[in-house]
Amino acid sequence: AQSVTQLGSHVSVSEGALVLLRCNYSSSVPPYLFWYVQYPNQGLQLLLKYTSAATLVKGINGFEAEFKKSETSFHLTKPSAHMSDAAEYFCWTGANNLFFGTGTRLTVIP
Amino acid sequence: DVKVTQSSRYLVKRTGEKVFLECVQDMDHENMFWYRQDPGLGLRLIYFSYDVKMKEKGDIPEGYSVSREKKERFSLILESASTNQTSMYLCASSSINEQFFGPGTRLTVL
Repeated sequence: AQSVTQLGSHVSVSEGALVLLRCNYSSSVPPYLFWYVQYPNQGLQLLLKYTSAATLVKGINGFEAEFKKSETSFHLTKPSAHMSDAAEYFCWTGANNLFFGTGTRLTVIP
Repeated sequence: DVKVTQSSRYLVKRTGEKVFLECVQDMDHENMFWYRQDPGLGLRLIYFSYDVKMKEKGDIPEGYSVSREKKERFSLILESASTNQTSMYLCASSSINEQFFGPGTRLTVL
């Protein structure tokens, strides 16, 4: 069965620093992969998704993720963190797979 | 503009009460889901439905039931609320390979 693993339940970065949130998937076939973001007191919203069209995927708010088959990874990055990026981030394999990652809470330190 | 709505943002109930959480989507999606979200545990699937009057158990169905009488509406029912059901409840509906989430209902059981 497909599943994802998010490494690090909490990540803290300084404002302006690189953001790196890790997601590894287990699958025997190229999956669909998604990152969702949940801002405080809100539901989840789609940040970006990989559907095999391009390995580097750009999303909203300056985030991007790179699909690396050799590493079975789909890590989320942003070159410069903003205070408004503080949220919880979830990785998901999509399709009819029902497994979300456990989430990574990002804290941005002024 | 796609939309998933949930009947309440905040709800406080007493132990033993019967609780209904309502979810409505306006996207004509066949698939609908109920998750609960708890710190450190990510999103856990309670029940899902692929069609009207059809339901399937997720990872943690115990203590819950669901109803899908119309395509746009998916209800989660706590037959006899308990304190360990205090949580954030998220409803979602999906097209092919993308889930759309409601804003969530924070339920407190006293």
